[in-house]
Amino acid sequence: LAKTTQPISMDSYEGQEVNITCSHNNIATNDYITWYQQFPSQGPRFIIQGYKTKVTNEVASLFIPADRKSSTLSLPRVSLSDTAVYYCLVGDAGSSNTGKLIFGQGTTLQVKP
Amino acid sequence: GAGVSQSPSNKVTEKGKDVELRCDPISGHTALYWYRQSLGQGLEFLIYFQGNSAPDKSGLPSDRFSAERTGGSVSTLTIQRTQQEDSAVYLCASSPPPHYSPLHFGNGTRLTVT
Repeated sequence: LAKTTQPISMDSYEGQEVNITCSHNNIATNDYITWYQQFPSQGPRFIIQGYKTKVTNEVASLFIPADRKSSTLSLPRVSLSDTAVYYCLVGDAGSSNTGKLIFGQGTTLQVKP
Repeated sequence: GAGVSQSPSNKVTEKGKDVELRCDPISGHTALYWYRQSLGQGLEFLIYFQGNSAPDKSGLPSDRFSAERTGGSVSTLTIQRTQQEDSAVYLCASSPPPHYSPLHFGNGTRLTVT
């Protein structure tokens, strides 16, 4: 199972771009990289997913280098409402052997005014 | 459409009692996961169901914990003889095919053992 390592916490200010990097050195060929956001008293919710190169949606971008051993979640122009815990998840739910998805400790992002 | 539904949202029980937590996944989702989250901590994997395959129970912390999924849909997590250390939020997630689809989480059941 691919293990992920992220910074425990990060601070930012409103309007800044935030980049959170996740390391996953033993990522497998079939593994996808998915990022989730969790607010207090709620379940995590999907932000973005990628396999390689760059993916962009309406809320974030995901950068994945060619070796796929890390990934960077980029949040443009954060606001106070982006204060949350961000989880990087690497896995392949379709594999009967490795289908269980193990979350890392996550990164607590604190956005200040 | 309807998301993943968990019930009850809160449960307070006395030490030694049994509890059942319910998860209604999104219709058509073949994969179902249970996680446990203690206060201020990350998500701890408990059990995973994928279609009709045997579940992966490797995350269950003791034999007091069990889970089943009936008809490939609703799942129940049962904790027998609850202990205070079982107090946590229990989260359920489901995902559709294909295999790399993101998880959809419910808002969890907050279990407090007194």
